[in-house]
Amino acid sequence: AQSVSQHNHHVILSEAASLELGCNYSYGGTVNLFWYVQYPGQHLQLLLKYFSGDPLVKGIKGFEAEFIKSKFSFNLRKPSVQWSDTAEYFCAVFYSGTYKYIFGTGTRLKVLA
Amino acid sequence: DTGVSQDPRHKITKRGQNVTFRCDPISEHNRLYWYRQTLGQGPEFLTYFQNEAQLEKSRLLSDRFSAERPKGSFSTLEIQRTEQGDSAMYLCASSSTGTGHTGELFFGEGSRLTVL
Repeated sequence: AQSVSQHNHHVILSEAASLELGCNYSYGGTVNLFWYVQYPGQHLQLLLKYFSGDPLVKGIKGFEAEFIKSKFSFNLRKPSVQWSDTAEYFCAVFYSGTYKYIFGTGTRLKVLA
Repeated sequence: DTGVSQDPRHKITKRGQNVTFRCDPISEHNRLYWYRQTLGQGPEFLTYFQNEAQLEKSRLLSDRFSAERPKGSFSTLEIQRTEQGDSAMYLCASSSTGTGHTGELFFGEGSRLTVL
């Protein structure tokens, strides 16, 4: 079955610390990869996406993610987090063969000022 | 266009009652998805439409749940004989498969259901 797993459910960091959130997905043919963010009280918003080409993609607010095909991974990174990055982060995979978007369970990030 | 809109934003109902949620996607988007999200979980796929055709339903969608998109524009999700376990946030998202579109999902604010 197609699935997406996020390794960290809760992460607490101090401001200026580096961030890496893991995401792995099950094989299912051609995929498009996304990270969404949900700030408290707001709806899900796209952070960044990978479709093809350079496996290192840059998104908004200084976030980036690296697609490693051999590891079925799409980890999210940010060199220096800010208090305003406190949110929940979801990895999502679009399986083009089935047109299904599958989401991970999310990682709740809290950044301490 | 102001994005995906969902109505109502909050619904409190008693067990056994029927509820209906409406989603208005971004106007040129031909795909529409329904998800359910509970606390501490990611969005769980329920069903999706391409235009007016419902192409897939999750096994999570019991026979008490029905979704329609009659004219390929807005969609409704109805839950009959609600149970306390139906309490969740119901999310609608739309996307386009047209040329130049990246296929990303655009989410609405969600409809929060509380079943007493």
